[in-house]
Amino acid sequence: KAGVTQTPRYLIKTRGQQVTLSCSPISGHRSVSWYQQTPGQGLQFLFEYFSETQRNKGNFPGRFSGRQFSNSRSEMNVSTLELGDSALYLCASSLYGDSNQPQHFGDGTRLSIL
Amino acid sequence: AQRVTQPEKLLSVFKGAPVELKCNYSYSGSPELFWYVQYSRQRLQLLLRHISRESIKGFTADLNKGETSFHLKKPFAQEEDSAMYYCALSTHSGSRLTFGEGTQLTVNP
Repeated sequence: KAGVTQTPRYLIKTRGQQVTLSCSPISGHRSVSWYQQTPGQGLQFLFEYFSETQRNKGNFPGRFSGRQFSNSRSEMNVSTLELGDSALYLCASSLYGDSNQPQHFGDGTRLSIL
Repeated sequence: AQRVTQPEKLLSVFKGAPVELKCNYSYSGSPELFWYVQYSRQRLQLLLRHISRESIKGFTADLNKGETSFHLKKPFAQEEDSAMYYCALSTHSGSRLTFGEGTQLTVNP
């Protein structure tokens, strides 16, 4: 099976712009979660989608949003970009998103804000 | 709110020595605990989870609810164990993970 695929791998944007990141989960996986990784804050949970519905949400401002399609692929959008949004954004998928199921991570999208 | 603490950012041992990576958590309920590992230039991957009670690559971890700890242990470290290790906790019906800050393990020859 192919692993979790995230595109693009790298992005450079300027303040005020918006960006969309994409994640294709492992085939058959229905839960997709997003995390932000920074040197200062570590790995922080953004949100989780299951069957096209947001099931969990972390403590991030409304500028961060996401969605999931019927084929379980997910997108994450960040509007009005700020310098502090520079980070590695990781996507993870699991079969049903149960708390005891392992999550499979992608390589991430590295977002740099100038 | 739940929290995961890994007190050591860096840990260096010699090949063949025992290694223990510490993880403490705070959560009033019954959590699911995991160890994830990231080798150089590879993606984050699951090492083991407490519910499985298994040994992976010689590593074991026991959930101690009294001490709220989930330390990762290996009796004889190998150079290929050098990596970043993250302890993580899940509490919801969904798959939200709360991660610790990570411990960079270096195994010297």
